[in-house]
Amino acid sequence: GAVVSQHPSWVICKSGTSVKIECRSLDFQATTMFWYRQFPKQSLMLMATSNEGSKATYEQGVEKDKFLINHASLTLSTLTVTSAHPEDSSFYICSARFPLAGGNEQYFGPGTRLTVT
Amino acid sequence: KQEVTQIPAALSVPEGENLVLNCSFTDSAIYNLQWFRQDPGKGLTSLLLIQSSQREQTSGRLNASLDKSSGRSTLYIAASQPGDSATYLCAGGTDSWGKLQFGAGTQVVVTP
Repeated sequence: GAVVSQHPSWVICKSGTSVKIECRSLDFQATTMFWYRQFPKQSLMLMATSNEGSKATYEQGVEKDKFLINHASLTLSTLTVTSAHPEDSSFYICSARFPLAGGNEQYFGPGTRLTVT
Repeated sequence: KQEVTQIPAALSVPEGENLVLNCSFTDSAIYNLQWFRQDPGKGLTSLLLIQSSQREQTSGRLNASLDKSSGRSTLYIAASQPGDSATYLCAGGTDSWGKLQFGAGTQVVVTP
Protein backbone atom coordinates (compact mmCIF):
# COMPACT_ATOMS: atom_id res chain seq x y z
CA GLY A 1 0.00 0.00 0.00
CA ALA A 2 0.89 3.67 -0.26
CA VAL A 3 3.34 4.95 2.34
CA VAL A 4 3.38 8.33 4.02
CA SER A 5 6.18 9.31 6.37
CA GLN A 6 6.53 12.09 8.92
CA HIS A 7 9.62 13.59 10.44
CA PRO A 8 10.36 13.94 13.24
CA SER A 9 8.30 11.33 15.08
CA TRP A 10 8.58 13.35 18.26
CA VAL A 11 10.00 16.71 19.23
CA ILE A 12 10.38 18.72 22.42
CA CYS A 13 10.87 22.46 22.12
CA LYS A 14 10.92 25.48 24.36
CA SER A 15 8.06 27.94 24.45
CA GLY A 16 8.51 30.70 21.87
CA THR A 17 10.51 28.66 19.38
CA SER A 18 9.34 27.32 16.02
CA VAL A 19 9.12 23.70 14.94
CA LYS A 20 8.89 22.27 11.43
CA ILE A 21 7.22 18.93 10.71
CA GLU A 22 7.63 17.19 7.36
CA CYS A 23 5.14 14.95 5.62
CA ARG A 24 6.26 12.90 2.63
CA SER A 25 4.47 10.55 0.28
CA LEU A 26 7.13 7.95 -0.45
CA ASP A 27 5.79 6.00 -3.42
CA PHE A 28 3.22 8.26 -5.02
CA GLN A 29 2.66 11.88 -5.89
CA ALA A 30 0.11 13.70 -3.80
CA THR A 31 -1.34 16.96 -5.04
CA THR A 32 -3.36 17.21 -1.86
CA MET A 33 -2.25 16.60 1.70
CA PHE A 34 -4.09 17.23 4.92
CA TRP A 35 -2.88 18.20 8.39
CA TYR A 36 -4.71 17.04 11.51
CA ARG A 37 -4.23 17.61 15.22
CA GLN A 38 -5.20 15.10 17.87
CA PHE A 39 -5.36 15.87 21.59
CA PRO A 40 -5.23 13.00 24.12
CA LYS A 41 -8.32 10.82 24.15
CA GLN A 42 -9.86 12.90 21.36
CA SER A 43 -10.37 12.38 17.67
CA LEU A 44 -8.57 13.99 14.77
CA MET A 45 -9.40 17.57 13.93
CA LEU A 46 -8.64 18.79 10.44
CA MET A 47 -6.42 21.86 10.55
CA ALA A 48 -5.80 22.60 6.90
CA THR A 49 -5.73 21.29 3.36
CA SER A 50 -2.41 21.60 1.60
CA ASN A 51 -2.37 21.82 -2.20
CA GLU A 52 0.83 21.62 -4.19
CA GLY A 53 1.76 24.95 -5.68
CA SER A 54 -0.92 27.00 -3.97
CA LYS A 55 -1.81 28.40 -0.57
CA ALA A 56 -3.19 26.08 2.05
CA THR A 57 -6.84 26.24 3.03
CA TYR A 58 -7.31 26.49 6.78
CA GLU A 59 -10.27 25.30 8.80
CA GLN A 60 -12.24 27.74 10.87
CA GLY A 61 -10.47 28.62 14.09
CA VAL A 62 -6.99 27.60 12.91
CA GLU A 63 -4.51 30.49 12.84
CA LYS A 64 -2.76 30.49 9.49
CA ASP A 65 0.03 32.74 10.75
CA LYS A 66 0.78 30.35 13.56
CA PHE A 67 0.58 27.12 11.59
CA LEU A 68 2.48 27.74 8.35
CA ILE A 69 1.97 25.13 5.66
CA ASN A 70 4.13 24.77 2.57
CA HIS A 71 3.44 22.18 -0.11
CA ALA A 72 6.47 22.79 -2.29
CA SER A 73 6.50 19.54 -4.21
CA LEU A 74 4.23 16.65 -5.08
CA THR A 75 5.76 14.51 -2.36
CA LEU A 76 6.41 16.95 0.47
CA SER A 77 4.29 19.18 2.70
CA THR A 78 5.62 20.92 5.79
CA LEU A 79 3.85 22.31 8.85
CA THR A 80 5.69 24.92 10.89
CA VAL A 81 4.37 25.74 14.33
CA THR A 82 5.60 29.27 14.95
CA SER A 83 6.19 30.72 18.41
CA ALA A 84 5.02 27.49 20.00
CA HIS A 85 3.29 27.53 23.37
CA PRO A 86 2.46 24.66 25.75
CA GLU A 87 -1.15 24.59 24.50
CA ASP A 88 0.22 23.66 21.06
CA SER A 89 1.46 20.39 22.51
CA SER A 90 -0.39 17.72 20.58
CA PHE A 91 -0.12 14.84 18.15
CA TYR A 92 0.09 16.14 14.59
CA ILE A 93 -0.83 13.76 11.77
CA CYS A 94 -0.68 14.32 8.05
CA SER A 95 -2.39 12.42 5.28
CA ALA A 96 -1.97 12.30 1.55
CA ARG A 97 -4.73 11.82 -0.93
CA PHE A 98 -4.09 8.77 -3.10
CA PRO A 99 -4.77 9.90 -6.65
CA LEU A 100 -6.71 6.94 -8.04
CA ALA A 101 -9.12 7.94 -10.78
CA GLY A 102 -12.41 8.88 -9.18
CA GLY A 103 -11.18 7.95 -5.74
CA ASN A 104 -10.03 9.96 -2.78
CA GLU A 105 -8.67 7.45 -0.33
CA GLN A 106 -6.22 8.93 2.12
CA TYR A 107 -3.11 7.42 3.59
CA PHE A 108 -1.90 8.67 6.92
CA GLY A 109 1.54 9.31 8.31
CA PRO A 110 2.63 7.88 11.67
CA GLY A 111 2.23 11.22 13.42
CA THR A 112 4.52 13.66 15.23
CA ARG A 113 4.29 14.14 18.97
CA LEU A 114 5.03 17.79 19.83
CA THR A 115 5.72 18.78 23.42
CA VAL A 116 6.26 22.45 24.19
CA THR A 117 7.88 23.17 27.55
CA LYS B 1 -21.65 20.57 8.68
CA GLN B 2 -21.22 16.82 8.82
CA GLU B 3 -21.09 15.41 12.34
CA VAL B 4 -19.91 11.89 13.03
CA THR B 5 -20.69 9.98 16.23
CA GLN B 6 -19.36 6.65 17.42
CA ILE B 7 -20.99 4.61 20.13
CA PRO B 8 -19.85 3.03 22.37
CA ALA B 9 -16.71 4.94 23.30
CA ALA B 10 -15.15 1.77 24.66
CA LEU B 11 -15.80 -1.95 24.29
CA SER B 12 -14.26 -5.03 25.84
CA VAL B 13 -14.92 -8.54 24.51
CA PRO B 14 -13.41 -11.98 25.05
CA GLU B 15 -11.34 -13.45 22.25
CA GLY B 16 -13.41 -15.17 19.59
CA GLU B 17 -16.48 -12.97 19.87
CA ASN B 18 -17.63 -10.92 16.93
CA LEU B 19 -17.22 -7.16 17.22
CA VAL B 20 -19.86 -4.67 16.09
CA LEU B 21 -18.85 -1.02 15.96
CA ASN B 22 -21.34 1.70 15.15
CA CYS B 23 -20.92 5.02 13.39
CA SER B 24 -23.61 7.57 12.65
CA PHE B 25 -23.50 10.71 10.56
CA THR B 26 -25.84 13.64 10.17
CA ASP B 27 -25.58 14.49 6.47
CA SER B 28 -26.82 11.76 4.14
CA ALA B 29 -25.04 13.47 1.24
CA ILE B 30 -21.87 11.81 2.38
CA TYR B 31 -19.18 11.38 -0.25
CA ASN B 32 -17.72 8.23 1.26
CA LEU B 33 -17.17 6.54 4.62
CA GLN B 34 -13.83 5.29 5.78
CA TRP B 35 -12.89 3.09 8.75
CA PHE B 36 -9.46 3.37 10.36
CA ARG B 37 -7.55 1.64 13.10
CA GLN B 38 -5.26 3.57 15.45
CA ASP B 39 -2.86 1.94 17.88
CA PRO B 40 -1.72 3.97 20.93
CA GLY B 41 0.63 6.78 19.96
CA LYS B 42 0.53 5.82 16.30
CA GLY B 43 -0.95 7.09 13.08
CA LEU B 44 -3.97 5.69 11.30
CA THR B 45 -4.26 2.54 9.24
CA SER B 46 -7.00 2.53 6.65
CA LEU B 47 -9.24 -0.54 6.97
CA LEU B 48 -12.12 -0.08 4.56
CA LEU B 49 -13.43 2.64 2.27
CA ILE B 50 -17.07 2.63 1.17
CA GLN B 51 -18.03 4.95 -1.65
CA SER B 52 -21.43 6.63 -1.44
CA SER B 53 -22.75 4.40 -4.23
CA GLN B 54 -21.81 1.23 -2.34
CA ARG B 55 -23.56 -0.52 0.51
CA GLU B 56 -20.70 -2.54 1.93
CA GLN B 57 -17.06 -3.50 1.68
CA THR B 58 -15.28 -6.61 2.92
CA SER B 59 -11.68 -7.41 3.66
CA GLY B 60 -10.84 -10.67 5.40
CA ARG B 61 -12.54 -10.72 8.79
CA LEU B 62 -13.75 -7.15 8.36
CA ASN B 63 -17.03 -6.07 6.85
CA ALA B 64 -18.39 -2.54 6.78
CA SER B 65 -21.85 -1.47 5.73
CA LEU B 66 -23.18 1.93 4.74
CA ASP B 67 -26.81 3.03 4.97
CA LYS B 68 -27.06 6.64 3.87
CA SER B 69 -30.80 6.87 4.44
CA SER B 70 -30.43 6.13 8.14
CA GLY B 71 -27.06 7.85 8.47
CA ARG B 72 -25.28 4.76 9.74
CA SER B 73 -22.25 2.64 9.09
CA THR B 74 -21.34 -0.52 10.95
CA LEU B 75 -17.98 -2.26 11.13
CA TYR B 76 -18.08 -5.98 11.86
CA ILE B 77 -14.96 -7.84 12.93
CA ALA B 78 -15.45 -11.59 12.97
CA ALA B 79 -13.79 -13.90 15.50
CA SER B 80 -11.93 -11.17 17.35
CA GLN B 81 -8.31 -11.64 18.41
CA PRO B 82 -6.18 -9.85 21.03
CA GLY B 83 -4.33 -8.20 18.13
CA ASP B 84 -7.56 -6.44 17.19
CA SER B 85 -7.26 -4.32 20.33
CA ALA B 86 -7.02 -0.71 19.18
CA THR B 87 -9.11 2.40 18.68
CA TYR B 88 -11.34 2.30 15.63
CA LEU B 89 -12.26 5.55 13.95
CA CYS B 90 -14.84 6.19 11.29
CA ALA B 91 -14.70 9.25 9.07
CA GLY B 92 -17.16 10.71 6.63
CA GLY B 93 -15.88 12.19 3.41
CA THR B 94 -17.50 15.58 2.91
CA ASP B 95 -16.38 16.36 -0.63
CA SER B 96 -14.51 15.01 -3.62
CA TRP B 97 -11.28 16.62 -2.45
CA GLY B 98 -10.97 14.19 0.39
CA LYS B 99 -11.84 16.23 3.48
CA LEU B 100 -12.82 13.91 6.31
CA GLN B 101 -14.91 14.47 9.42
CA PHE B 102 -13.87 12.02 12.13
CA GLY B 103 -15.81 10.43 14.92
CA ALA B 104 -14.29 10.24 18.40
CA GLY B 105 -13.52 6.55 18.03
CA THR B 106 -14.34 3.31 19.83
CA GLN B 107 -11.57 1.86 21.99
CA VAL B 108 -11.64 -1.92 21.70
CA VAL B 109 -10.00 -4.40 24.06
CA VAL B 110 -10.05 -8.09 23.18
CA THR B 111 -9.14 -10.22 26.17
CA PRO B 112 -7.42 -13.59 25.74
